[in-house]
Amino acid sequence: QKEVEQNSGPLSVPEGAIASLNCTYSDRVSQSFFWYRQYSGKSPELIMSIYSNGDKEDGRFTAQLNKASQYVSLLIRDSQPSDSATYLCAVGDYGGATNKLIFGTGTLLAVQP
Amino acid sequence: ETGVTQTPRHLVMGMTNKKSLKCEQHLGHNAMYWYKQSAKKPLELMFVYNFKEQTENNSVPSRFSPECPNSSHLFLHLHTLQPEDSALYLCASSLHSSGSAYEQYFGPGTRLTVT
Repeated sequence: QKEVEQNSGPLSVPEGAIASLNCTYSDRVSQSFFWYRQYSGKSPELIMSIYSNGDKEDGRFTAQLNKASQYVSLLIRDSQPSDSATYLCAVGDYGGATNKLIFGTGTLLAVQP
Repeated sequence: ETGVTQTPRHLVMGMTNKKSLKCEQHLGHNAMYWYKQSAKKPLELMFVYNFKEQTENNSVPSRFSPECPNSSHLFLHLHTLQPEDSALYLCASSLHSSGSAYEQYFGPGTRLTVT
């Protein structure tokens, strides 16, 4: 059973701090990784995708991937109260006839003003 | 309309009712997905369609019946549901469901309550 693990949180950070969200995955051959943000009562919104080892930056967001350690993380710099949401990690699954995403349960982030 | 739309946004139905959920994507994608999201559980993939053909049925009970008439529209027909089927049902689309084009974009979801 392929799995994606996240700490459910809540992760509480003060406004302006760096929030660090972590995710581990079980399938060693996974090649694609995604972070989604989900506000309470809303649907998931894609905020980052990463395919290669290293860092990928987009505005205040940085995704980090380490395939050898089967670890992917999301850093949010200068955290704002509007960043308070559940962050879902998703990993591409190449097995079977259809490629699909395996999601973690999400980490709840609370940014304190 | 832009992105992925879903109707209705909220639905309350009895266990003997028949209803349908509708999803439409305006992104020019070729793959569409149905997910179920229940509290404290990961997103559960239900069905995948690629170029109108069903390529994944994730052991979903037959009381859920999908239909994909073209690459832009996806339906989920519901009948004789159980209270445990109450959840947020999400539709998503991606350019393909094979190769590396995995980025999936979600609709707003239908909040379903079965009474």
